[in-house]
Parts: sequence; C-alpha cells; structure tokens
Amino acid sequence: GDSVTQMEGPVTLSEEAFLTINCTYTATGYPSLFWYVQYPGEGLQLLLKATKADDKGSNKGFEATYRKETTSFHLEKGSVQVSDSAVYFCALSDLNNAGNMLTFGGGTRLMVKP
Amino acid sequence: DAGVIQSPRHEVTEMGQEVTLRCKPISGHDYLFWYRQTMMRGLELLIYFNNNVPIDDSGMPEDRFSAKMPNASFSTLKIQPSEPRDSAVYFCASGLQGVLAEAFFGQGTRLTVV
Repeated sequence: GDSVTQMEGPVTLSEEAFLTINCTYTATGYPSLFWYVQYPGEGLQLLLKATKADDKGSNKGFEATYRKETTSFHLEKGSVQVSDSAVYFCALSDLNNAGNMLTFGGGTRLMVKP
Repeated sequence: DAGVIQSPRHEVTEMGQEVTLRCKPISGHDYLFWYRQTMMRGLELLIYFNNNVPIDDSGMPEDRFSAKMPNASFSTLKIQPSEPRDSAVYFCASGLQGVLAEAFFGQGTRLTVV
C-alpha cells in the first residue's frame, strides 16, 4: 500500500537558518504530493502541493519539488522565522486508492529559536 | 465560508460515558474525513465518507466507535463507552473529488477521558 516517510523531529534551528525536512513515499500509482502545516492548537492546513514529476510547489518561502526518480518531496526554506515553528506533515493522494484519501507521514516538529 | 467547524473544542469526560463529536464540513464538499491524533501514533484516518456514504471505516479502532453522516452538512463521531486510551485530538476534514485532493481541516476536538 501507499506510505509516506518523514525525518523524525524535533528539528531545532536558529532564526534565518536553512531548513530541509526530508520526505519519501511509496505509491502504487502516480500520486499528488502535499505538505501540510499544523500550528500549535490548530488543525492542519495545506502549505503547498505538486501533482506531477518535476513540479515545484511553493508558498510562504517554502518549496518542495516532486522527484519521481527518487520518490521524494523534500521541504526547504532558505531562512526560517520563529513563526515557522510548527509540525509539518508530508502527504500523498493516489488516484489508485478508492476516493480522495490522503496518506500522511508521521509529522516533523520544527522549533525555531530567536 | 467559515471553514470546517467542529464542536466541542474541548471535552473532558469520565470513563464509561458516551462522547459525541460533531462536524460541519465546508458547503459543497463531497468528502468528509475523521482523523485521530496522538503523540504515540501520530495522525490516523478513522473513517471517511463520500456523498454521505461511509467508504472506508477500517481505521475505526473498535466497535465502541461509530460515525454517521445523516446529511451533507453534518457528521458525528461517537464513542460509547469511552476509555482513557481514547484521549486524543479528533479532527474532521472535508474536500472535493479530484487530483489535487486538498483536505480542509477543522480545529479539532481535544478529548480527555479520565
């Protein structure tokens, strides 16, 4: 079945540091890929997405590129801020699955210190 | 639209009591998901509906859990009887059919069973 694997956290960085959170996936079909972010006390919200190979999703300074050859969708940001502290979830949606179901990774907690 | 609305935001109950969590999805969305989030197991899909019909309930932990969607604008997740190990944050999400498959999450219900 489909699965998503993320690097375990927490990831602790100083403000303005470079961020990478690794994500790899396995899927039977040709999935769409997503990053969701969960701020403290809130639900998940979509951060960015990509639907085909070599697509780059971007939002709020975050980027991730759909790499079919390495089955990866790593999240990057050039300069993190304290306000980026949150839990980040990589996810996929595979049309070979019944319906619209998202498969989530385990989440990576990011802590940014001033 | 106000987004996905869940109630209550917090629930504290005694072991053995019945608990009902409520969700109002975004108007026009045809998919509704119930997730459970804990530190130990991360984000788990419990059940999802398409056009008010349950499609996959394989994530429901046991018979004490049940979910209904009597119409397109309302869903409930019921636990009867509740146990301390059910303590978690329960999220409802809704979405539309399609490749992008973005899910919109509510703010969650934090359930504590004592």
